[in-house]
Formats: sequence, structure tokens, C-alpha cells
Amino acid sequence: DSGVTQTPKHLITATGQRVTLRCSPRSGDLSVYWYQQSLDQGLQFLIQYYNGEERAKGNILERFSAQQFPDLHSELNLSSLELGDSALYFCASSVGQLGFYGYTFGSGTRLTVV
Amino acid sequence: QKEVEQDPGPLSVPEGAIVSLNCTYSNSAFQYFMWYRQYSRKGPELLMYTYSSGNKEDGRFTAQVDKSSKYISLFIRDSQPSDSATYLCAMSALTDSGGSNYKLTFGKGTLLTVNP
Repeated sequence: DSGVTQTPKHLITATGQRVTLRCSPRSGDLSVYWYQQSLDQGLQFLIQYYNGEERAKGNILERFSAQQFPDLHSELNLSSLELGDSALYFCASSVGQLGFYGYTFGSGTRLTVV
Repeated sequence: QKEVEQDPGPLSVPEGAIVSLNCTYSNSAFQYFMWYRQYSRKGPELLMYTYSSGNKEDGRFTAQVDKSSKYISLFIRDSQPSDSATYLCAMSALTDSGGSNYKLTFGKGTLLTVNP
């Protein structure tokens, strides 16, 4: 157990729907990162939050949004889902906002859009 | 050109073999270099972390960084079936000029199978 908790583990939904993925960071970590992993694109950085504030944005679609709450858990909202959004979504956390020592990843949420 | 290039393999070796995994990169701003191991249906886990050019050893694993060539390697000695996984290189650089935030960029990963 890495200490980063992601729920749900699996999600199957229809095109056009909206889903919310949840992440609880490792105890003491203030930064949360969201990544999307697909076979053809590999691990793609989506967005980072540090202590409730957005710190960096990557290749996140406008249909996607995220937030980090006062208790430091984070949610990734995916709307108007398309078949191409099917992927593994990982949350990671790190000590502080620098993250240059690397991140601790959760086990991921496997999203299937049908 | 992608910032980080990694041969996806797959790579299949017999147990006990020495494995060499490599990545090249184009962004000279990368300062920290990592290797992650990802088992099937699991999240990546950090294996090795290096900062400067040179070698770093941890048990059967050796990470090598050559900043002048923009090339990093991971060597696995006496490979075991339990080493079968996808290995991802990752590199971090500052995301802002203020020096307060880093972002990791990953290679696509190399799938390694160690056969008993």
C-alpha cells in the first residue's frame, strides 16, 4: 500500500456522462498530481494542486476539471465523456510542492467509456 | 521531437541476465532523473532517483546519468522473474522561473519479462 488512496478502482460509464474520481494523498503530502495513462500516450500529466491551490497544468482537456479540498483530498471531474477518455487515471502525491524527489502513486482508477 | 524517448520493447530475458534500459531526452532543463517500476494493474513505484551525472547503485539496480549526452540508463543485475514489469524513466524540471515548482515528464515505459 503506497499510502495514496484512489476510488473507485473501476468505472464503466456511457459517452456523454460525467464522473468524479477521488484521491486521498499520503499522510503529510500537500501536493496532488493527476495523470492519465493510455497505451499509446503513456503517462500524461494533467494537473497539480498544492495545499488547495492549482500549481501547474498539463494536457488537461477543458471538459476535465479538478480541485483539492481543505482536508487535502482531491477530485478529478470528467464530463461529456468520449470513448477516447477510456484510460487509467492516476493520482500521485509528494512532500511539498517541489516534487523533484518523485511522487508516490496510487493504484489508479480504470475508466471505461462505452 | 518528444521531450523523453524510451524504447517500449518488449524486452524478454532469461533469469540471471543483466538488463539495460535506456531513455534519451531533449530538454536540457531536466535536473532530476528517476526510474519507476509499474506492475500490471498497479501504480508506478519509485525505484531510483539521481541528480547529477554518474552512477548510483542500490542493490541489483544501477542508475546512470550522462547529462552531456542527454541519456539515462537503468541496469538490473541478476534479473529475477519478479522484476517483470514496465519500467518508466521520468525527469523533472522547473515549471516556473521562480524556482518553486517542478513537473515530472515520463517516458512511455519499457515492458520487461524475465523468464525462469
